[in-house]
Amino acid sequence: GAGVSQSPSNKVTEKGKDVELRCDPISGHTALYWYRQSLGQGLEFLIYFQGNSAPDKSGLPSDRFSAERTGGSVSTLTIQRTQQEDSAVYLCASSLGLRGSSGANVLTFGAGSRLTVL
Amino acid sequence: TQLLEQSPQFLSIQEGENLTVYCNSSSVFSSLQWYRQEPGEGPVLLVTVVTGGEVKKLKRLTFQFGDARKDSSLHITAAQPGDTGLYLCAGVPNAGGTSYGKLTFGQGTILTVHP
Repeated sequence: GAGVSQSPSNKVTEKGKDVELRCDPISGHTALYWYRQSLGQGLEFLIYFQGNSAPDKSGLPSDRFSAERTGGSVSTLTIQRTQQEDSAVYLCASSLGLRGSSGANVLTFGAGSRLTVL
Repeated sequence: TQLLEQSPQFLSIQEGENLTVYCNSSSVFSSLQWYRQEPGEGPVLLVTVVTGGEVKKLKRLTFQFGDARKDSSLHITAAQPGDTGLYLCAGVPNAGGTSYGKLTFGQGTILTVHP
């Protein structure tokens, strides 16, 4: 597609339930990122996929968080046993991801998935 | 861990005023980016500065990268209500001279320009 698509746009869940957030990156972009944003704040890095390389999971806050990217395209971020502190906007971005090129640094973000844990 | 300190966190000004947002770090970055985000949307890239001392202008917005590539500033001249939004700086790590897209973001500056 023309842009990065995320779904759902809003998700309200009860504490302890699992949630899945989906990201459909720009076609041809090999790099995909997940960030988390608390209300009106900066972005916290979660995970980064680049082509077929092992993902950089260094930003995942706990083992309740996981992400996968199937076929080098669509990605799913899963949060198990959600807690109230997980409430945030989860942003996905993609880029050309060509290491060493200027395109690697140009991230296009989706509109985000707003997660509210009651 | 590379950190970016962005200030001020909040700015509320009248239309026509000038303002400056700062982004500082003790780390060297390969390049630094500025994004603008509106409610309900993702951040949108405004500019990337790459060279130490570089100055880029985008209409009424002037972006500067520090000589040591550790800090940057965004200056807006004659602010308009349409400039209202969240401004974010983001540093691209200086990893062995090869830059890639794992960005470190500042905390953001919420700018409100009143008519």
